[in-house]
Amino acid sequence: QSVLTQPPSVSAAPGQKVSISCSGSSSNIGSNYVSWYQHLPGTAPKLLIYENNKRPSGIPDRFSGSRSGTSATLGITGLQTGDEADYYCGTWDSSLRAVVFGGGTKLTVL
Amino acid sequence: EVQLLESGGGLVQPGGSLRLSCAASGFTFSNYAMAWVRQAPGKGLEWVSGVRGSGDKTYSADSVKGRFAVSRDNSKNTMYLQMNSLRAEDAAVYYCAKGLGPGSFNEIDNWGQGTLVTVSS
Repeated sequence: QSVLTQPPSVSAAPGQKVSISCSGSSSNIGSNYVSWYQHLPGTAPKLLIYENNKRPSGIPDRFSGSRSGTSATLGITGLQTGDEADYYCGTWDSSLRAVVFGGGTKLTVL
Repeated sequence: EVQLLESGGGLVQPGGSLRLSCAASGFTFSNYAMAWVRQAPGKGLEWVSGVRGSGDKTYSADSVKGRFAVSRDNSKNTMYLQMNSLRAEDAAVYYCAKGLGPGSFNEIDNWGQGTLVTVSS
């Protein structure tokens, strides 16, 4: 059971928008930056969002992040079939003194 | 170009030991935190251990505390993971990961391709 809670799966049609939630607590999301990763099977994960809402260079602005209280959200607009992947949120947990990830959300672009 | 090359994975019996290495290139190694992240078959990502850029502080997940030890040799641009008392549940692909800054364990901007650890008798 993961410290951070994500929905197991989400789906939407090409061109549509989807949001993936990540719920935690005051010791992790509530007091530390959140990152988001995209992971396609057999490949290395990719950093999509860091410090809650910043995008590394090369990540399109279709991807966005936000944080409110002890929850965070990844938004993806203009969905493409190439966006089908597993998405993970992650943050530092000040009580555990370790990085914690969500259980992952599988995105299906119908 | 940042490159992270893991090695040392393989088959080990329960209770055995293994040492993973991660050879880094393409950046000033000592300026960045490094970490190990694993993914067991059919499971999600799990952060294992991290070490600050200077090597002065390390952190580990509760699931491996007392059994795994992360370290780095900045003169060799290499990070290590010494894994002892291995259990079946430690079987996974282990990724070497680079943080965004000297203490950034959570923000991982580069990942290796992973090395497979199998624990079985």
